[in-house]
Order: sequence, then structure tokens, then C-alpha cells
Amino acid sequence: AQSVTQLGSHVSVSEGALVLLRCNYSSSVPPYLFWYVQYPNQGLQLLLKYTTGATLVKGINGFEAEFKKSETSFHLTKPSAHMSDAAEYFCAVSLFNNAGNMLTFGGGTRLMVKP
Amino acid sequence: GAVVSQHPSRVICKSGTSVKIECRSLDFQATTMFWYRQFPKQSLMLMATSNEGSKATYEQGVEKDKFLINHASLTLSTLTVTSAHPEDSSFYICSASTPFSGTSGVVDTQYFGPGTRLTVL
Repeated sequence: AQSVTQLGSHVSVSEGALVLLRCNYSSSVPPYLFWYVQYPNQGLQLLLKYTTGATLVKGINGFEAEFKKSETSFHLTKPSAHMSDAAEYFCAVSLFNNAGNMLTFGGGTRLMVKP
Repeated sequence: GAVVSQHPSRVICKSGTSVKIECRSLDFQATTMFWYRQFPKQSLMLMATSNEGSKATYEQGVEKDKFLINHASLTLSTLTVTSAHPEDSSFYICSASTPFSGTSGVVDTQYFGPGTRLTVL
């Protein structure tokens, strides 16, 4: 079974500061990893995903994440926060199995950006 | 590409009535659709997985007779909350998956709808 832990349910940064949202996973097989963003009263939007190959993955809106197998981590970063980045962020892991792409989500991290 | 719509976006109903929520993949054919439930300030909880033309697979603790799922085509799945009660009030989100190739074979990526806010009075 796989699980996802997001350290910090709330993260607050100043506009222009570095954004770092942490995600650690446990999985019995090499996982596929995802970051989603959710704005209030909306569904989830895929930010980026790691499947294979390059461990540094670039996504939309200037976000990127690095898969570190030794640390079982997939932290999300952005060099300079913008007010529009304020949202809920979910890390998710999936395994290839007979039921298709079952996603297991972390608890979410609410990012707040101060002016 | 990969747009998923949900209808309605918001519904308020009386206790005891049934509510149907539609999920459509607009520009791709979805091999699998998923239904999630999200309580305020919480993560998504998978309710069920459905494949076109077959019965949905429900997660443990989800009542299949209460949450009826129909996956009539590769672009449409519906969730019907039967005899809704106030405790069913929640944000319901669907996703539709389309395949991409990974090292272990074909794995699906999920694209999410905008969600439906259900309030049962």
C-alpha cells in the first residue's frame, strides 16, 4: 500500500519569496507522483507529474518538483511566490494496478501569500 | 486539452430527494472515471472507480445503493445521491483518466472536474 504525507497543513510566505511545499511518500514499488492545485470551490488542476526519466520536473505557473528516491520525497518549489499562488496544494501517488490509476492523496497544504 | 466538466456546480435540495451529478470529459475519451468526496478543509476521499460499460468499484465504507454510479459512455459518468440527507452535504469531484506511457506500462493521468457543491437541507 502507498501513502503520502504533506508536512505542514498551512504554509505562509511573502510575495516574492521562495515557496517550498513538502511531500513524502511510501510505496512498495516505484511510484508515479503528482502535484495538484485547488482554488476555492474548484476542482483540482494538475501542476506537474513525475513518471520516469529526469527527476526534476517542471510544471505550470513556474512550479517544479524534484523526485528524490533516497529521501522518498517529491517537494514542490517555486522561486518567487505570487499572490495568485494562494491555494490548496495536494501531492498524490499512484501505482499501476488492475484498477487503473488509483490516486492516493496527501492531506493537502494551504499556501498563503502575504503582500 | 483534457477538460472535464461537472454539472451542476452547485445544488441545494431537501432531505429525502435524489440528486444527479454529471461528469463529462469534453475533449478526450476517458477509460476510467473516478468520484471523490471532499469535506471542508480536508483532502479528497475516493468513493468509487468506474469503467465504461461495467459496474463501479466502490471503496470500503461507501454505500453503493446510496451513491449510484452510471458510466454510460467514454465521455459521461453520473453520480446519483439517493435519498439525500444533511450528512451527505459535501463537495463532490469527479476525474477522468486518459493513458500515458510509463516504465511499467500504460498508466492513466487523472484530470479533474470543477466539483459540485451539494447542500442537503
